[in-house]
Amino acid sequence: GAVVSQHPSWVICKSGTSVKIECRSLDFQATTMFWYRQFPKQSLMLMATSNEGSKATYEQGVEKDKFLINHASLTLSTLTVTSAHPEDSSFYICSATGRTVQETQYFGPGTRLLVL
Amino acid sequence: AQSVTQLDSHVSVSEGTPVLLRCNYSSSYSPSLFWYVQHPNKGLQLLLKYTSAATLVKGINGFEAEFKKSETSFHLTKPSAHMSDAAEYFCVVTAGTYKYIFGTGTRLKVLA
Repeated sequence: GAVVSQHPSWVICKSGTSVKIECRSLDFQATTMFWYRQFPKQSLMLMATSNEGSKATYEQGVEKDKFLINHASLTLSTLTVTSAHPEDSSFYICSATGRTVQETQYFGPGTRLLVL
Repeated sequence: AQSVTQLDSHVSVSEGTPVLLRCNYSSSYSPSLFWYVQHPNKGLQLLLKYTSAATLVKGINGFEAEFKKSETSFHLTKPSAHMSDAAEYFCVVTAGTYKYIFGTGTRLKVLA
């Protein structure tokens, strides 16, 4: 199957700092990438959808200025959590899809963010 | 509107016995359906997908699912559970181009 990588897998930062998470599709062109947040023992919550070369579409209630998403190429999307606070601590997962994978979502391994 | 319901939040089975994880969907057109597995602190791994071809879909690790349009179901089965199958399972349905709806998940516990 198609492979999606995510980096870093773990990050601990101080409150007020910014954190960037990268999501890469390694063997296919990802025209669309998704960013999810997952709370313990819950399903995934979609934060935003990004298409290559255009602005991300954010879900209701997700702050655009806090969670900056860039999808600059067909293999890379980044999520930047700006001025992180303890309530931003969570498990963030990206996924990617495209025509070459018949619109199937392939997920990254996730990033655990802990804000102190 | 499209929706998906996973009927059991928790399922426990003994090792070596069959697994049944239930998923019902609602859709105004012929959707694509997926099952994913998530182990603790990991991303989601695709088990199998239905995209309007054969109604019985075989996936990885011995899992399979049958698409039943009349019952609007897409239940996941495995003949014999293994300890390594213990994980969270998500049923996902498409709701348009590059739009997906997730079920709330079923936690499978496998007893020795």
